[in-house]
Amino acid sequence: EAGVVQSPRYKIIEKKQPVAFWCNPISGHNTLYWYLQNLGQGPELLIRYENEEAVDDSQLPKDRFSAERLKGVDSTLKIQPAELGDSAVYLCASSLGGPTTEAFFGQGTRLTVV
Amino acid sequence: SQQGEEDPQALSIQEGENATMNCSYKTSINNLQWYRQNSGRGLVHLILIRSNEREKHSGRLRVTLDTSKKSSSLLITASRAADTASYFCASRASGSRLTFGEGTQLTVNP
Repeated sequence: EAGVVQSPRYKIIEKKQPVAFWCNPISGHNTLYWYLQNLGQGPELLIRYENEEAVDDSQLPKDRFSAERLKGVDSTLKIQPAELGDSAVYLCASSLGGPTTEAFFGQGTRLTVV
Repeated sequence: SQQGEEDPQALSIQEGENATMNCSYKTSINNLQWYRQNSGRGLVHLILIRSNEREKHSGRLRVTLDTSKKSSSLLITASRAADTASYFCASRASGSRLTFGEGTQLTVNP
């Protein structure tokens, strides 16, 4: 079974440019998470989906970040415009749903804004 | 901060020794999970302990949970060089949000 797939693995962009990340969760997983991880720190939740509904987006900086999960499967996370401080690893994870299930993580996208 | 705290931030031991990492969290939880992350990779789930459990084992891993102190510990016994990684605890409250700690960087020297 394929795991959570993210692309691209690496992205370098200039500040003020837009960028998008893509995530394909494990088949059948209703819950999808986007996390941001700075170097040497733990992941911080940006947004959580239950199927196609964003149920927890209180940590998402909505002035520049947006996300969507069409048809409750794949998801994209967009930043427009990117700032230098957005340089980080963006992790996608999925789970079956429910409080006692584990989350499966993708490899992440390392974003560098120059 | 949304995150809990872990200590130590970094731990260096010799192969064969035991490694203990501690985690504190802030709110009432449904369960607490431990994850491992190798450098440049995604996180991998290790073990989950429910709020009504006090101790759980999985292979060389032993996890304890003290809900009165809002703390948990992860013990890795007979460590190996391949255990070198960052270890994160993640608390799950009733609303299904999974909140991670800052992590412990474990180095096991051969």
